[in-house]
Amino acid sequence: EVQLVESGGGLVQPGGSLRLSCAASGFTFSSYWMSWVRQAPGKGLEWVANIKQDGSEKYYVDSVKGRFTISRDNAKNSLYLQMNSLRAEDTAVYYCARDWVTTDFKSAFDIWGQGTMVTVSS
Amino acid sequence: DIQMTQSPSSLSASVGDRVTITCRASQSISSYLNWYQQKPGKAPKLLIYAASSLQSGVPSRFSGSGSGTDFTLTISSLQPEDFATYYCQQSYTTETFGPGTKVDIK
Repeated sequence: EVQLVESGGGLVQPGGSLRLSCAASGFTFSSYWMSWVRQAPGKGLEWVANIKQDGSEKYYVDSVKGRFTISRDNAKNSLYLQMNSLRAEDTAVYYCARDWVTTDFKSAFDIWGQGTMVTVSS
Repeated sequence: DIQMTQSPSSLSASVGDRVTITCRASQSISSYLNWYQQKPGKAPKLLIYAASSLQSGVPSRFSGSGSGTDFTLTISSLQPEDFATYYCQQSYTTETFGPGTKVDIK
C-alpha cells in the first residue's frame, strides 16, 4: 500500500524548533519530488516547501525562507522538515505529499499523509 | 506569485444537484490546474489533474474544464459523500492553492 506517515508534531514555544518526519512506503521514494503542505486551523492549504529526488533542489514559500529546511534520506525512505524560529502563525497541520509528474510534465499532489499538528504557543 | 481565487466560497446543495465551482488564476497557467477534495479532519484527495483529467478511482460524476485563467469543477449529481471542501491548485509555478469552496447540505 502506498503510504505517507508524518510524525514529530507537538507544542513548542515561539522561537523554538521542531523537526517533522515523513515515512514513505509502497513506492519508490527516490523517484519523486516531495512536498510539505500546511493548513492552519480553520484555514486553507498552503504549500510550504519541496525537494527534488536527489535533494539537489529545494524551494520554499517566502514566509518560511531562512527558518525552515526540507531534507530527505532516500536510504530511509524519509522526508524531513526542520523548523526553527517558530512563530504563532506557523501553527498548522503539516502534511507531506508526493509530487506526481504526469506524462505531459504537469504535477499534482497525488498521495498525502494524515498530517501532524504543530502548535506554537507560550 | 500566481494568486488563485474560487467562487463561491460556500454553497448549499441537495443530493442529486449539479454543482459547479469556479477557480480563476491571476495570470495564465495553461492547464496546470488541479482540484482536491477535503473532508473534516482528513487529508486532501486529488480529484482532477491537468485541468480535466480524472484521477484514478475518482467517480466519473466529477469533471474539470478550462485553460488559461478560468477553470471549473463540476459534480454532475451530488452524492452524500461529496459534502466537503474543494480546493483548486496551480502547478504552473511555485504551487499555490485557492481559498476553498465548502459544499454543504441544503
